[in-house]
Amino acid sequence: EAQVTQNPRYLITVTGKKLTVTCSQNMNHEYMSWYRQDPGLGLRQIYYSMNVEVTDKGDVPEGYKVSRKEKRNFPLILESPSPNQTSLYFCASSHTLLSGRSYNEQFFGPGTRLTVL
Amino acid sequence: AQSVTQPDIHITVSEGASLELRCNYSYGATPYLFWYVQSPGQGLQLLLKYFSGDTLVQGIKGFEAEFKRSQSSFNLRKPSVHWSDAAEYFCAVVPVSGGYNKLIFGAGTRLAVHP
Repeated sequence: EAQVTQNPRYLITVTGKKLTVTCSQNMNHEYMSWYRQDPGLGLRQIYYSMNVEVTDKGDVPEGYKVSRKEKRNFPLILESPSPNQTSLYFCASSHTLLSGRSYNEQFFGPGTRLTVL
Repeated sequence: AQSVTQPDIHITVSEGASLELRCNYSYGATPYLFWYVQSPGQGLQLLLKYFSGDTLVQGIKGFEAEFKRSQSSFNLRKPSVHWSDAAEYFCAVVPVSGGYNKLIFGAGTRLAVHP
């Protein structure tokens, strides 16, 4: 089954304790992205990757790191989490965003609910 | 400033009633336009999208949306709502300048359906 998986789905942690949220896709997608969802703000992009070893900042990158060493995986790293990073996180992937006159659909994972105490 | 606006935070309709969810965007050139649905505890699912051409777009689950350039709007409609349509709905755009690298989401509209 074609899908984007995220782990863990739920995480409660404390301020300053490094954590990693994994994201994996099995659709051979070039593009991957991380979003955070906060009430009243919709989803905002944290980081994205156009392909292996190519990453760039989105709108809210502060406090986050990413890496793209393999095509299928795009982990989100919080080196020193803080309470303002409590949120619902989504990973998404797609084939190359723009091909011809078509924009390829982004497929979303089920989300990771993170609480930082 | 460039933005996507969903004016209604919450909407409640009765089952079987018609539905219209509003979305307005503020971009110089018409962006690519999308509607996503997020059911409780789930990820986002694409309902429909508009790039160009026919301004009335059909999507999944009986939804449609109409692009109106003069109003910078892309409103989502459904003629008869089912209880399973209760969810949060997000309008999103991809600006056609800046590399197409991201979806920009509105704040969302939460739909409740009364029996």
